[in-house]
Amino acid sequence: DAGVTQSPTHLIKTRGQHVTLRCSPISGHKSVSWYQQVLGQGPQFIFQYYEKEERGRGNFPDRFSARQFPNYSSELNVNALLLGDSALYLCASSSYRAMNTEAFFGQGTRLTVV
Amino acid sequence: DQQVKQNSPSLSVQEGRISILNCDYTNSMFDYFLWYKKYPAEGPTFLISISSIKDKNEDGRFTVFLNKSAKHLSLHIVPSQPGDSAVYFCAASAIIQGAQKLVFGQGTRLTINP
Repeated sequence: DAGVTQSPTHLIKTRGQHVTLRCSPISGHKSVSWYQQVLGQGPQFIFQYYEKEERGRGNFPDRFSARQFPNYSSELNVNALLLGDSALYLCASSSYRAMNTEAFFGQGTRLTVV
Repeated sequence: DQQVKQNSPSLSVQEGRISILNCDYTNSMFDYFLWYKKYPAEGPTFLISISSIKDKNEDGRFTVFLNKSAKHLSLHIVPSQPGDSAVYFCAASAIIQGAQKLVFGQGTRLTINP
């Protein structure tokens, strides 16, 4: 069975540009969450989607947005990129709304803003 | 406000000995605690979790202990193996500002020496 897949694995963008990151959860998982991990820190929660609805967002500016599609895949969009947006973006899926027992992470997308 | 803290950025242990990784938290609303292992260029891999109503959970070489009164948990790895060398993240789960999310510590880099 395929795990959580994210694309692309790496990309480089210029300040002010827009980026779209994609995530396919494990088959049967309806909850997808996005996390940002900057170097030397733990992942920080950005969004959670469950059954195609946003269930919550973390302390990130409105430049960050996301959506979940009918097949439960998800996109994370970031507008007006800043140098500080350079990070590893992780997608996690779980079979329940609550991520209590375990959440499975993809390999991440490494975004570099120059 | 760092609600989950891993105060040791690194730990070095001899192969075959016990590795003990520590984590402290401040929010009493956390209902589950999870440990993840992360290799470079990969997403975090789930290791083990524990409910806030338990004080111990064991899975093979991995045991997690929870001390609610001290708001402290630890991960024990016995015996330690070279393949255990990675960054370990402690995470806590709760509904915060309407979202079911994981709050991560900063991570501890574990190195197992042969």
